[in-house]
Amino acid sequence: GQQVMQIPQYQHVQEGEDFTTYCNSSTTLSNIQWYKQRPGGHPVFLIQLVKSGEVKKQKRLTFQFGEAKKNSSLHITATQTTDVGTYFCAGGTSYGKLTFGQGTILTVHP
Amino acid sequence: DTAVSQTPKYLVTQMGNDKSIKCEQNLGHDTMYWYKQDSKKFLKIMFSYNNKELIINETVPNRFSPKSPDKAHLNLHINSLELGDSAVYFCASSQGQGAHGYTFGSGTRLTVV
Repeated sequence: GQQVMQIPQYQHVQEGEDFTTYCNSSTTLSNIQWYKQRPGGHPVFLIQLVKSGEVKKQKRLTFQFGEAKKNSSLHITATQTTDVGTYFCAGGTSYGKLTFGQGTILTVHP
Repeated sequence: DTAVSQTPKYLVTQMGNDKSIKCEQNLGHDTMYWYKQDSKKFLKIMFSYNNKELIINETVPNRFSPKSPDKAHLNLHINSLELGDSAVYFCASSQGQGAHGYTFGSGTRLTVV
């Protein structure tokens, strides 16, 4: 079945440093979504990418979808303590199933 | 106004008991889901319903039985609870295949002792 791998599993950064998490799918995706889960909270939808090679920005967050639509990345510039949480990618198929990656747990040291 | 609400928020119960978790969404979405999140944060889909019809039924023990009385509600009943069922269970909803993302409830932390 479809697998979505996400790395790294953990990332510890100093406040102000950049952070990137990567997502790879075993199959071609129709779309990729990104979610953020704060400690003790629930996943919150951030964005969806659909087109091959698409790049979208939300303030300090940059999301990319690979040309082959099998990989994606989330880059945060100049992390802040409010960025703490687990970031999930989720790969969508044409028949509607969304498979989540294992998540990257980000801690930011002030 | 809570978009996706789950009850209870916490559930502590003994092995062998039967329990239910309820979920309601007021977003007008037509698709609802149950996800299980283990201690390593891994989110695994269990079930999905579209307009009260079961469309995704992953490999889940048949002790777990979802029920959708209408498209705004999706409940989860668990029979003969086991220690390994301890996890956080999230309900979520979306419109169609979720082009605008899934909206998750705040979760139910189930602890089986």
